[in-house]
Amino acid sequence: QVQLQESGPGLVKPSETLSLTCTVSGYSISSGYYWGWIRQPPGQGLEWIGSFYHSGSPYQNTSLKSRVTISVDTSKNQFSLKLSSVTAADTAVYYCAKLSLTLYFDYWGQGTLVTVSS
Amino acid sequence: IQLTQSPSFLSASVGDRVTITCRASQGISSYLAWYQQEPGKAPKLLIYAASTLQSGVPSRFSGSGSGTEFTLTISSLQPEDFATYYCQQFNSYPLTFGGGTKVEI
Repeated sequence: QVQLQESGPGLVKPSETLSLTCTVSGYSISSGYYWGWIRQPPGQGLEWIGSFYHSGSPYQNTSLKSRVTISVDTSKNQFSLKLSSVTAADTAVYYCAKLSLTLYFDYWGQGTLVTVSS
Repeated sequence: IQLTQSPSFLSASVGDRVTITCRASQGISSYLAWYQQEPGKAPKLLIYAASTLQSGVPSRFSGSGSGTEFTLTISSLQPEDFATYYCQQFNSYPLTFGGGTKVEI
């Protein structure tokens, strides 16, 4: 059974960089599938941030322009999200997830709330 | 690709048949998934490829459609089904979600 767990600071100051890590258990990231990040502002809907194939380059939501960096550490079976120059609009619950080979989300982490405030 | 769900809110009773619609701004074949999200929890995959039930999901949930119009049907609403439902297209990047349908008592 694949399990994902997000970790990182719950409070980030405006203009700084949000950094989150997703730790995967029950499956090796390097073995396959896509992995990614989704966020959900309080009381709002879901927004895809970006995804990557285990051996490929990440795809990112162009709405976030060049603020997003997704990286992988296969030795720790983790992948990470960095979102730079954050504003209050980036306050959200951030989820990491496993995607199927056809790109729907079949396993989700529990989510972590990140608040952007001074 | 924009996904428009209707209705945004739905009031129903236990035992009711409920139908939620998701319309895509362009054709997406059958590359559509449905998720259920309970308050404070992560979304849960219900259906993928428009009509394929995810393992472990009760058979009262069903999906249909292709192209630009899709539906999620709950044949007999149960107390644990009161939640928010989202559709998601995986035909092309960027992956997008519908705005959600909240099913209330």
